[in-house]
Amino acid sequence: EAQVTQNPRYLITVTGKKLTVTCSQNMNHEYMSWYRQDPGLGLRQIYYSMNVEVTDKGDVPEGYKVSRKEKRNFPLILESPSPNQTSLYFCASSLWGGPTEQYFGPGTRLTVT
Amino acid sequence: TQLLEQSPQFLSIQEGENLTVYCNSSSVFSSLQWYRQEPGEGPVLLVTVVTGGEVKKLKRLTFQFGDARKDSSLHITAAQPGDTGLYLCAGAGQSVDAGNMLTFGGGTRLMVKP
Repeated sequence: EAQVTQNPRYLITVTGKKLTVTCSQNMNHEYMSWYRQDPGLGLRQIYYSMNVEVTDKGDVPEGYKVSRKEKRNFPLILESPSPNQTSLYFCASSLWGGPTEQYFGPGTRLTVT
Repeated sequence: TQLLEQSPQFLSIQEGENLTVYCNSSSVFSSLQWYRQEPGEGPVLLVTVVTGGEVKKLKRLTFQFGDARKDSSLHITAAQPGDTGLYLCAGAGQSVDAGNMLTFGGGTRLMVKP
């Protein structure tokens, strides 16, 4: 089954404790991206990657890191999480960027206390 | 201020009513997508519109891209409880630098009561 998977689905952590949210897709898509979703703000793009070893900042990259060492994986790293990073995070992939259909993962709900 | 403004933010209607959701911007987009998101899940693509003035229909849903490619609308005829969800518009290619990014609107939360 074609899908985007994220882990964990739920995470509660404390300020400053490094964490990684994994994302994997099995559709051989070139483009992958991370979004955060907050009430009334829709989805805001954090980082995106056009291909292996190519990553670019989205609208809200501060406090986040990503890597794209393999085509299928695109982990999101929070080196020192803060309470304002409490949010619902979605990973997405598509054939390529821009107007192509984005396939979203199920989301990771992160709470930073 | 968001690049894409959706209105209304919330809409609660009775089954059988018609409704229109708007997605407006001062920027020109090369294409615009509409997604629907249900609780606990990621958004799912409904349609992509590319040409100014384009109209696409998906059963009871009609999507229109403005002539100037700055705005779009989603019209639902005879809404059903199954239409309940969060509707998101997303624009691509608003500038050369942003060509590979997708910018989302704030969303319209629709509730259709039986």
